[in-house]
Formats: sequence, C-alpha cells, structure tokens
Amino acid sequence: GAVVSQHPSRVICKSGTSVKIECRSLDFQATTMFWYRQFPKQSLMLMATSNEGSKATYEQGVEKDKFLINHASLTLSTLTVTSAHPEDSSFYICSARAIPGSDYEQYFGPGTRLTVT
Amino acid sequence: GQNIDQPTEMTATEGAIVQINCTYQTSGFNGLFWYQQHAGEAPTFLSYNVLDGLEEKGRFSSFLSRSKGYSYLLLKELQMKDSASYLCAYLDSNYQLIWGAGTKLIIKP
Repeated sequence: GAVVSQHPSRVICKSGTSVKIECRSLDFQATTMFWYRQFPKQSLMLMATSNEGSKATYEQGVEKDKFLINHASLTLSTLTVTSAHPEDSSFYICSARAIPGSDYEQYFGPGTRLTVT
Repeated sequence: GQNIDQPTEMTATEGAIVQINCTYQTSGFNGLFWYQQHAGEAPTFLSYNVLDGLEEKGRFSSFLSRSKGYSYLLLKELQMKDSASYLCAYLDSNYQLIWGAGTKLIIKP
C-alpha cells in the first residue's frame, strides 16, 4: 500500500515553455502533498507544501508565480513549471502524507527528471 | 533554529558493518526518519524513531537519543546494492520534515 505515482518520469522541454507534473496517491487519500527539488549530488530541497483545497505554502526563495501548485483533490497534486529555463533542470519529487495517519511518514513518488534546453 | 548534520561520504567493505551518524538541534521534535536514495531515484523509507532506543529491521537498525540530539543508522552484512545515499530527517514542531544533506555510502568488494 501507500503508493505514489508521478507523471511524466522524464521530460525535455524548450526554454520558455511550461511543463506540468502530476503527483497521485494511488491507494490512499493524502491530506498534504509536498514538492521537492533535488540538484545533482545535493539533498532534497522542499519547494512547497500543499493541502487539498487550499493554496500551497511556498518555501523562502521559491517563486510561487513560476512554480504553480494545484492540489485539486485528496489524491492529486500538480506542479507546473512556467516559462522554464535551463536552470530549472532538476529532479522533481513529490511526496504525500496519508490521512488519518497516526505516523507522519511521507510516501515518495518516483520523481520527474526535467531537462530544459 | 533548524540544524541537522551527517557525514558527506563514507566507504565500507562488502560484508562489513557501517554506522551512519546524524545529529540535530531543534526546539521542536516529533521523530526522526532514515531514507535510502539510489542515484536518480526517489527516497525510500527505512525507519522512523520517535522514542529513545534501538529499532532493528533485518540488516538495518536505527538508534535515537533525544536528549543528545543524535541518531544513527547501522547497516550489517553490507551488500553492493547498499551503495546509495542515506538521508536522515526529523519532524519539527509543525510536523514538517527537515532534511540532512545525505551521506553517500560507497561499498567496495
């Protein structure tokens, strides 16, 4: 149980275009979903926290107008990278926290490798 | 404040034992996680400690001392597939995960 999927797994796009990444909890409902970014040889960096039906909370230094997050249901959150640039190339990982959840484990998706050319 | 530290890289021999340490400083604490991450993949859950002591799961064990702000992950009978990064993270007072930078473990034959 507790499976999280991400789509697409890899995407290559041209500079200036937008890319949408989907994160789905397949067999549980998620109160909260998290979006991380990871550059090579670095640890996970939390970008934003999203709760179903409310606006996402962005970490300091993350542009909310560039990284649009929509958590429309208890099983789906999307991250849209708008007007992508080569420096946005990274590994984007989502995770989900289950409800009711007596523990606070985050279940991770497999990640999306974004390359902006 | 939020501060969590672990070694950047460690090397061990196949079949041996290795201990990866993690220290943290925080005013609010709700447990500590260890995750394994292979290159190019997402992290996978290894352990969660909220009380002091040692928890054993097969070849992997995790220890926590809340008074010392200290945890370690112990890997026994190392296998080549254990080569990966190991991330420790604690849950702060807002139940948000605060991540260490990860320890890259290299296993040599």
